[in-house]
Amino acid sequence: EVQLLESGGGLEQPGGSLRLSCAASGFAFSNYAMAWVRQAPGKGLEWVSAIGDATFYADSVKGRFTISRDVSKNTLYLQMNSLRAEDTAVYYCAKFGPQYFDYWGQGTLVTVSS
Amino acid sequence: EIVMTQSPATLSVSPGERATLSCRASQSVTSNLAWYQQKLGQAPRLLIFGASTRATSIPDRFSGSGSGTEFTLTISSLQSEDFAVYYCQQYNNWPRTFGQGTKVEIK
Repeated sequence: EVQLLESGGGLEQPGGSLRLSCAASGFAFSNYAMAWVRQAPGKGLEWVSAIGDATFYADSVKGRFTISRDVSKNTLYLQMNSLRAEDTAVYYCAKFGPQYFDYWGQGTLVTVSS
Repeated sequence: EIVMTQSPATLSVSPGERATLSCRASQSVTSNLAWYQQKLGQAPRLLIFGASTRATSIPDRFSGSGSGTEFTLTISSLQSEDFAVYYCQQYNNWPRTFGQGTKVEIK
């Protein structure tokens, strides 16, 4: 059974940093591209970043966020720097299967506020 | 960036009735279109990919159609567990983009 478990969310001040993690199990992690998708409170879904053979970023986070993965730990990461109030959202980890998102984690809430 | 536009924003339907949701892309995405269901407080769930292929374990009352720029998700006979928000998403181009969602509520 595919499982994706996010962690690392919390309250951070504007300009601060957080690192999100997503522990994956139930599939060959190294063989699949992965992504982060976020959802601001009461809003829709927004793709943030993806990693496969290359990395991709939404314009809204480019230069501030970095996606990475550790295949030895079956873990996906999102390093978020220079956080802004508009980054406040639930962040979901999602597996590509192969081009759409076939499995999602339950999400971790990031709140950026002073 | 491809803009995905869903209509209507809210659809009020009685249980057992048919629901038809629309999704339009600002340029062709061929058949690279997925639909997701999101219930309150839960993560999204994949329903349809390739515009018309049901994902694993999705009931056959859900069907998708369309190609190019116009797509439809049809729920043939709404069950209580189908009241949720539905999103379309294109995966033809980067960045991946979602529609703003259609909320299906009980009439």
